[in-house]
This record gives sequence, structure tokens and C-alpha cells, in this order.
Amino acid sequence: GAVVSQHPSRVICKSGTSVKIECRSLDFQATTMFWYRQFPKKSLMLMATSNEGSKATYEQGVEKDKFLINHASLTLSTLTVTSAHPEDSSFYICSAREPFSGGASNEQFFGPGTRLTVL
Amino acid sequence: GQNIDQPTEMTATEGAIVQINCTYQTSGFNGLFWYQQHAGEAPTFLSYNVLDGLEEKGRFSSFLSRSKGYSYLLLKELQMKDSASYLCAVIAAGNKLTFGGGTRVLVKP
Repeated sequence: GAVVSQHPSRVICKSGTSVKIECRSLDFQATTMFWYRQFPKKSLMLMATSNEGSKATYEQGVEKDKFLINHASLTLSTLTVTSAHPEDSSFYICSAREPFSGGASNEQFFGPGTRLTVL
Repeated sequence: GQNIDQPTEMTATEGAIVQINCTYQTSGFNGLFWYQQHAGEAPTFLSYNVLDGLEEKGRFSSFLSRSKGYSYLLLKELQMKDSASYLCAVIAAGNKLTFGGGTRVLVKP
């Protein structure tokens, strides 16, 4: 299957700083990428849909000025957590979808996740 | 809105069979996925159903009934490494994945 990478895998930062997380599709072009967050023992919650060359679409309740998303190329989307606070500590996971070609191509390929801890 | 329900936890014995049920009510339906997730790792794809019926893949099978808004994941010949969370997710309107709360499966010797 297709491979999606995330960097960094773990990050610890001080409250008030900003953190950037990168999501890359390594062997395919992804016009659409998704960003999720996951709290311990909970499921994934979609934060936003990242579209190459246009603005991201945020889910209800997600602050777009807090979580900045940039999808500058067909293989890279970034999520920047601005002015991070301890409550932003979470597991952030991105996914990417190949251009639609029928069948199970609705499948999303997930990155390995980024563990953010804000002190 | 979207509503996807699955049991929170299940326990089974090594070598046994476990069935994880998932019911959903969504705006539109473009398919249902099952993912496996070990703690601290990303979800890995197990199965995809878009038509009614059973899809079998080795020790794992997934069933879908669109009219009932119901799916199940069947794990056979359980192994200790199958201890993980299993996530039911539906592709609905807007082609977005909506996840259920996940079912933690504990396999005991």
C-alpha cells in the first residue's frame, strides 16, 4: 500500500510556543490529506481536510487560527499548532488519499502519528 | 449528524473467535472500513465494505448490511498479537471518514 510519513514522531514544547508537524505522501500524489487528533483511549477525531492549493476545511469546533494547515504541494501538508497549551497535548495523525480511481480507493493511508506534549 | 457505535471493550481467549459489531447512522454512505490500531501507533487497514455481504481475508472477515446500518468484524483463531483497538469508520457525505469510538480487544492465554 501507499506510504505516508510524519515528522516529528514526538515533540515536547513549552506552553506558548508553536509546533509544526509535517505529513508526506512518499510514493503517490495526494490532492487531499486529513488531520486527526486522538486522546488516550479515544478514537480519531477529524480536525480538518487539507486540499492542495486551497484553504483547508475545518470541522466544527476546531479553531483555524489555532491549527494552521498548509498543503503547498501534492505530497506535503503541514499542521502548525500555534501558541500551544497543555490541553493541546495529544496524538496527531495525518492521512492521505490517492486520486479517485474507483473501487476501494476511498481508502486513506495513515501516517505513523505525532505525539505532542505541551509543558 | 453521524453516529457510529461499537462496544468499548471485549475479552477473548487465544485461539477463539471474536465478533465486533458496529452500527451506524450517517448522512450518506460510501463505504465502511475496519482498522486495527495498537497503542501509540497509527491505524492499519483491515477491510473495506461497500456492498452487502461478507468479505473474507485470512483470519479476518467483515460483513455489511446497508439496509440495517450494521457491520461486524470477525477475528478467527485469535493470537496474542491481535490485542489492539479495532476502529469502525464510515465514509459518508463529503467523502470524510467518521470513526466509531473503537473497541479494545484483549486476548488472554
